[in-house]
Amino acid sequence: DQQVKQNSPSLSVQEGRISILNCDYTNSMFDYFLWYKKYPAEGPTFLISISSIKDKNEDGRFTVFLNKSAKHLSLHIVPSQPGDSAVYFCAANSYGGATNKLIFGTGTLLAVQP
Amino acid sequence: DAGITQSPRHKVTETGTPVTLRCHQTENHRYMYWYRQDPGHGLRLIHYSYGVKDTDKGEVSDGYSVSRSKTEDFLLTLESATSSQTSVYFCAISSTGNTEAFFGQGTRLTVV
Repeated sequence: DQQVKQNSPSLSVQEGRISILNCDYTNSMFDYFLWYKKYPAEGPTFLISISSIKDKNEDGRFTVFLNKSAKHLSLHIVPSQPGDSAVYFCAANSYGGATNKLIFGTGTLLAVQP
Repeated sequence: DAGITQSPRHKVTETGTPVTLRCHQTENHRYMYWYRQDPGHGLRLIHYSYGVKDTDKGEVSDGYSVSRSKTEDFLLTLESATSSQTSVYFCAISSTGNTEAFFGQGTRLTVV
């Protein structure tokens, strides 16, 4: 049972345009969401996060939007650059308690064409 | 880079043999995680730890065990390796469990 879903395995975008990566989740207990970027042969690196008390968070070219009623989040990259080409994972967590599991989606491969 | 070291980085082993992967951190973070990455499956949580001697199962824990006797070390053991456990294994650490986690460089394990 996939609790965090990324339904687009790949996305191709022209340099300078907007990249939009989508993520859906099923567990209503999730209240903290993250995006990671992964290059080949490297570990994932943290990109940006959002708490469920917000609906938007920006960091430079990266913006994450959260729609709690739809259980949907998206990552916008504007403008896209060739160096952004990587696999992007969304992840979700729930606050509270003694244990915290960070659950990831299946990833979306972004290719930014020069 | 966060102070996370995975060892070994690459390993080839035979079916049926036990294998232990090590994750060592120098950040004194409370939470440690083991994930495996496979095509089409993304990153799947195997086991995680929320303190010394405190561990719990993740999504794909069958065939794996873990131990955490010290804050800095989290060991993943494949009790009897199978070809389906051929994968790239990542360790991650987090200070609070509900903030970002930092990942190691990964261990590529091949079971032949």
